Parts: sequence; structure tokens; C-alpha cells
Amino acid sequence: EAQVTQNPRYLITVTGKKLTVTCSQNMNHEYMSWYRQDPGLGLRQIYYSMNVEVTDKGDVPEGYKVSRKEKRNFPLILESPSPNQTSLYFCASIGGYYNEQFFGPGTRLTVL
Amino acid sequence: AQSVTQLDSHVSVSEGTPVLLRCNYSSSYSPSLFWYVQHPNKGLQLLLKYTSAATLVKGINGFEAEFKKSETSFHLTKPSAHMSDAAEYFCVVSDRSGGSYIPTFGRGTSLIVHP
Repeated sequence: EAQVTQNPRYLITVTGKKLTVTCSQNMNHEYMSWYRQDPGLGLRQIYYSMNVEVTDKGDVPEGYKVSRKEKRNFPLILESPSPNQTSLYFCASIGGYYNEQFFGPGTRLTVL
Repeated sequence: AQSVTQLDSHVSVSEGTPVLLRCNYSSSYSPSLFWYVQHPNKGLQLLLKYTSAATLVKGINGFEAEFKKSETSFHLTKPSAHMSDAAEYFCVVSDRSGGSYIPTFGRGTSLIVHP
């Protein structure tokens, strides 16, 4: 089954404790992206990757890092999480001629 | 550059009445347009997409959207709302600006369905 998976689905952590949210897709898509979703603000893009070893900032990259060492994986790294990074995070990949996005199930992160 | 404006942050309808969720876009290229739905505590699901094949696009669960280039609109409609349609709806535009495929999301419209 074609899908995007994220782990963990839920995470509660404390300020300053490094964490990684994994994202993996099995559709051989080149383009992958991370979003955060906050009430009233919709989805905002954090980082995206056009291909392996190619990443670029989205609209809200501060406080986040990403890497793209393999085509299928695109982890999101919070080196020193802060409470304002409490949010719902979605990973997505884009494929096909018409740029359809396939979303992961989401990761709800709470930073205390 | 591309942008999306969802004209209503909330839409409230009664069950059995028509639904209209409005979306306007701007794009420098021939865009692909999408509507996604997000039910409470769920991920995003593709409702329908416009890909230049036909201006009236049919999606899942009885939803439709019409691409109107002259009005730069892609409004989502459904003839008769059901309680299960209550959710957040996102309009998305994606074009090939500079060879990339960076999609832009609208801020979302919350559809409320009253019994």
C-alpha cells in the first residue's frame, strides 16, 4: 500500500531535549515536505526537499533541521525544543504529474 | 508566485442543505488545485483535484469543485450536507514555479453541520 508513515504519533517532551520525528514514504517520490498545523493558521511549511541531499527552508524553519540522506526518509529534528513548537506536524510527499500530496497521519508534539 | 485565499474561516449549514466553500488562487503558471479534508483528530485526505482535464471536478463523498480561470476560483460544493461532512477543508494550489512543486495551503475553512 502506498503510504507515508510518521513516528511517533504522539510525543510529550521537555524544553531543550533533542528529538527526531521520522518520516518515510514508499512511493519513490522525490519531493518531501514537513508542515506544522496550528489553530487558525492552517498548515505552514517548515522545510522541503526536492531530492536526496537537497533541502530548503519553507515558511517557518526556525528551530528545526532536516536531512535527506535517502529518497524514502525525511526526518525532522528539533535540536532544542521550546514550548512554541508544540503543534501538530505532518510529513508529505508529492508525486505524479499533477503534484498530488500524500500526507502522513500526523505527529502531535507537546513541549513542556 | 502563488497564493490561496479561502474566503470563509467558518461555514455553518443545516443537514440536507447545500454546501459552498470558497477558494480563490493566484498562480503564474497553469496550476494544479486540490481540496483536502481533515476530520477532527485525523490526517488530511484528498477530496478532489483539478489537473486541466475538465473544469468541473468530481470528488469523493459527493463533493465537486469548478475551476473558473476568469475568476481565479476553485470553489467546493455539495448539494446536500451530511453530519459526517463536519470537518476542516483546505484548498491548495501547486504550480511548477521555477521547476519546483511547492504547494501553498489556504488557511482552512471549518464546516459546521447542524442537525
